[in-house]
Parts: sequence; structure tokens; C-alpha cells
Amino acid sequence: DGGITQSPKYLFRKEGQNVTLSCEQNLNHDAMYWYRQDPGQGLRLIYYSQIVNDFQKGDIAEGYSVSREKKESFPLTVTSAQKNPTAFYLCASRGTGVETQYFGPGTRLLVL
Amino acid sequence: EDQVTQSPEALRLQEGESSSLNCSYTVSGLRGLFWYRQDPGKGPEFLFTLYSAGEEKEKERLKATLTKKESFLHITAPKPEDSATYLCAVQAESSGDKLTFGTGTRLAVRP
Repeated sequence: DGGITQSPKYLFRKEGQNVTLSCEQNLNHDAMYWYRQDPGQGLRLIYYSQIVNDFQKGDIAEGYSVSREKKESFPLTVTSAQKNPTAFYLCASRGTGVETQYFGPGTRLLVL
Repeated sequence: EDQVTQSPEALRLQEGESSSLNCSYTVSGLRGLFWYRQDPGKGPEFLFTLYSAGEEKEKERLKATLTKKESFLHITAPKPEDSATYLCAVQAESSGDKLTFGTGTRLAVRP
């Protein structure tokens, strides 16, 4: 089955700790995205990548980092500089020549 | 700045009671408008993409329409399994890959 997988489903972060969220897709999509979802707010774009080894900051990139070493994978690191990391994190991907983004199941990040 | 406003914030319907959800948008040149359904604790599920005013798309009990200022998601004879949050997003011609999302409409359908 083709799709987008995110792991883990739940992630707990301690003060001062960096954590990495995984996003993998087997749809052969070139573009991948990371969004953050908070209660009462629309999804906000953190980072996106249109091609391997290239990525751009979204609206709320501070305190986050990404890499895109493989077409299938776009991991997101939440660094200790992100002071309010508790949120639902969503990964999405998009195929070439189409506008629609498809989403993974999400990772909920909680702070201990 | 691109803006998306969804109304109402929450809607409760009786099973079989048809209604519409609204998505008003302000964008400098619409490239596409997207509707998603999101169940609690899950990722958004794609429903429709609309590109130009006058366009309509249907899927089962859902029908999406688009004008130059807003989109409607019409739900005909809803069932309890239609209960979810419905998200609207726009993509502007000038914004590249960026989608601007509304805050969603929470729909509850009672049996």
C-alpha cells in the first residue's frame, strides 16, 4: 500500500532535549512538508522540501531543523530552542505536476 | 496576506439534516482551494481540490462549490460517520508551495 508513515505516534520531550520525528513516503512524491497543528489554529508550515538535498523555511521554522537526504524521507528535529513544542505534527507530500498535498497520520509531541 | 475564515466553528446536525459549511478566502490570485476531513487524533484526509469559480465536485454525500470569494461544502442527508472536522485551505499563485489553512468546522451528526 502506498502512503505516508509517521513515527512515533506519541513522543515525549524533556527540557533541553532534541527530538526527531520521522516521516517516510512510498508515493514517489518529490515534495514533502512539515506542519504544526495547535488547538484553535490552522495548520502552520514549518519546513518544506521540493527536491532531495534542498529545503526551505516555512512560516514558523525557528527551533526546528530538517534534512532531505533521500526522496522517501524528511525527518524533523525539534530542538531545545523551540520553547513551546507541544503540538500535533503533520507530514505531507505532493506529487509532481499536481497541487494536492496528502497527509500522514501525525505525531503528538508532549513535554515532560 | 492570504486569509481563510471558516464558519461556523461548530455545527450539530440530526442524521439526515442537510447543511453547508462555509470557507471565505482572501488571496491574490487563487491557484487552488482544498477541502480535507480530519478525525480526532488523525491526519487530514483529502476530499476535493477546486481551481476556478463555478467549479463543483461531489463525493458521496459531499459536494464542494467555489466562487471568487468563498467555497461551500454541502452535506446532504448526513450520517453519524460524517462527524469530523472539515478543513479548508487555499494556495495562492504567488505563494509557491504554501497552503493557508482555516481553523476548521467541527461537525457532529447525531443519530
